[in-house]
Amino acid sequence: EDQVTQSPEALRLQEGESSSLNCSYTVSGLRGLFWYRQDPGKGPEFLFTLYSAGEEKEKERLKATLTKKESFLHITAPKPEDSATYLCAVLDTPSDYKLSFGAGTTVTVRA
Amino acid sequence: NAGVTQTPKFQVLKTGQSMTLQCAQDMNHEYMSWYRQDPGMGLRLIHYSVGAGITDQGEVPNGYNVSRSTTEDFPLRLLSAAPSQTSVYFCASRAGNQPQHFGDGTRLSIL
Repeated sequence: EDQVTQSPEALRLQEGESSSLNCSYTVSGLRGLFWYRQDPGKGPEFLFTLYSAGEEKEKERLKATLTKKESFLHITAPKPEDSATYLCAVLDTPSDYKLSFGAGTTVTVRA
Repeated sequence: NAGVTQTPKFQVLKTGQSMTLQCAQDMNHEYMSWYRQDPGMGLRLIHYSVGAGITDQGEVPNGYNVSRSTTEDFPLRLLSAAPSQTSVYFCASRAGNQPQHFGDGTRLSIL
């Protein structure tokens, strides 16, 4: 069964203080790893897709990387508007009808 | 381009009542899913569909029914509401191994 574990559960940062979120996963054959951002009262919003180890994607202050066992979401010089819950999900070959989600990391950035 | 549209946004029910949560997508996606999101539990899959006329159970299907008569629509029915079904419900759609798109959710309270 697919397993997706995110750490830490919560992260409090000062504005400008860079940090990383971890998503470790166990799958049979990775078809894709997805990062989402979720704001309170809203649905998850797509950020990145990574398909193979070594791949990196970048958008503004966010950068996602992928190895065979985990993915990192790096937040560089965060601003208060980066405060949100970040979700990681994997799509596995044997069960490609569904995404398996981690529980998320809630990031709070203080000015 | 509306994406994934869910109605209603909020609903309060009494125990034992039934209702249907509506979901529509305009992206011609073959995969559609229903999730519930509870504090500390992450997103859990209720039911999913891989195309019109094809549905199957996810992780937490008890007390819910779905049907998919068209590519666009995927309603979720609560047969006899129970307080344990108080949650936020998200509908999502995707094509193949592409990113999944989410609606803004339905916040459901069962008294």
